[in-house]
Amino acid sequence: DGGITQSPKYLFRKEGQNVTLSCEQNLNHDAMYWYRQDPGQGLRLIYYSQIVNDFQKGDIAEGYSVSREKKESFPLTVTSAQKNPTAFYLCASSLRTSGRLNEQFFGPGTRLTVL
Amino acid sequence: AQSVAQPEDQVNVAEGNPLTVKCTYSVSGNPYLFWYVQYPNRGLQFLLKYITGDNLVKGSYGFEAEFNKSQTSFHLKKPSALVSDSALYFCAVRDRGREGNNRLAFGKGNQVVVIP
Repeated sequence: DGGITQSPKYLFRKEGQNVTLSCEQNLNHDAMYWYRQDPGQGLRLIYYSQIVNDFQKGDIAEGYSVSREKKESFPLTVTSAQKNPTAFYLCASSLRTSGRLNEQFFGPGTRLTVL
Repeated sequence: AQSVAQPEDQVNVAEGNPLTVKCTYSVSGNPYLFWYVQYPNRGLQFLLKYITGDNLVKGSYGFEAEFNKSQTSFHLKKPSALVSDSALYFCAVRDRGREGNNRLAFGKGNQVVVIP
């Protein structure tokens, strides 16, 4: 899983609570990404950030929020507005090269369960 | 939007036999194509990518993929499968977000089961 860490590995949340998933990388990558993985649906992009203090919504951003205050950190908050948050969440990072897309390196994931 | 399709849900293969995992793509312009592998409860690991150049791309763990422009395919192959190759395999293609930034669009994944 390279130089990307995610914590916690398992997370349990009660309905109505916000929770924050941590993602840290020491690869000096500019770009970072958050994906949600559900069985049989592959990976869906939640948010991504190409540079510090900037981020864009992915395909399923509703009910989620992010920040990118430091290059190495890209935390994801799952808010109470997310109706079905139980899933496996994956963070990734990559070099950012103009006009190209470099391979992404993934963290080990956080499994979130809503009780 | 760019997309990839992985038509099979599961691929079963006997150990020692050739392994093929299929992927077709739909893009406008030049495709950037990737293969990743995921072991249970782990993150994805990069296997290989096609940007330009030779149609046969060699990657990690003995895997290779063949880019076929006429068939819009990028199938992943391994000449002799190992039990340890049992995992979930994802094909992905470069896509552009609304802001014009590069991002990846993933297929739904193929479960590979190598039978001893």
